[in-house]
Amino acid sequence: EVQLVESGGGLVQPGRSLRLSCTASGFTFGDYAMSWVRQAPGKGLEWVGFIRSKAYGGTTEYAASVKGRFTISRDDSKSIAYLQMNSLKTEDTAVYYCTRVSISEDYYFDYWGQGTLVTVSS
Amino acid sequence: SYVLTQPPSVSVAPGKTARITCGGNNIGSKSVHWYQQKPGQAPVLVIYYDSDRPSGIPERFSGSNSGNTATLTISRVEAGDEADYYCQVWDSSSDHPEDVFGTGTKVTVL
Repeated sequence: EVQLVESGGGLVQPGRSLRLSCTASGFTFGDYAMSWVRQAPGKGLEWVGFIRSKAYGGTTEYAASVKGRFTISRDDSKSIAYLQMNSLKTEDTAVYYCTRVSISEDYYFDYWGQGTLVTVSS
Repeated sequence: SYVLTQPPSVSVAPGKTARITCGGNNIGSKSVHWYQQKPGQAPVLVIYYDSDRPSGIPERFSGSNSGNTATLTISRVEAGDEADYYCQVWDSSSDHPEDVFGTGTKVTVL
């Protein structure tokens, strides 16, 4: 059974940093791209970014709203994906979901974690 | 950036058919994926590549995509289908490739 468990959320002041983790199980983690999607309170889904598998260079793509501030990385030996968030803004307040990206020519999300809440406030 | 537009809400009686649209410029040239999100829960993939269903998703869920509109159709609607639905595409057409979600549609079962 595929499982994705996010951790690391919490309350953080504007301008500070936070790192989220996504621990995966139930599949060969290294074979898949992994993505982060967020949802502000009462709002819709917003893609944050993803990291490709090592077979595809392990490269990353980011939404314009977070590019330069957020960094996605992965540790295939531990089956963990990370989201490093720097220079946080109040508008980054959201539930952050870790997702598995389906192995295909297109990038879509076949499994989701339950999410972790990040609140940016002074 | 690429924009996907959905109606904010759709209401449907039990047993009837709900159709949720997702509008985008020449969306028919892209692959569209759909997610269902029930209150307090994570989204679930219900349709991928326009019309394919993951295992465990009822046949009542179907999809189509042509021109400037993709459509998620829920036949014989049940109370348990009440949820928010989002379309999604991978837009690689610009210098800044990105995944894009639609604005979301709340389906209410009357």
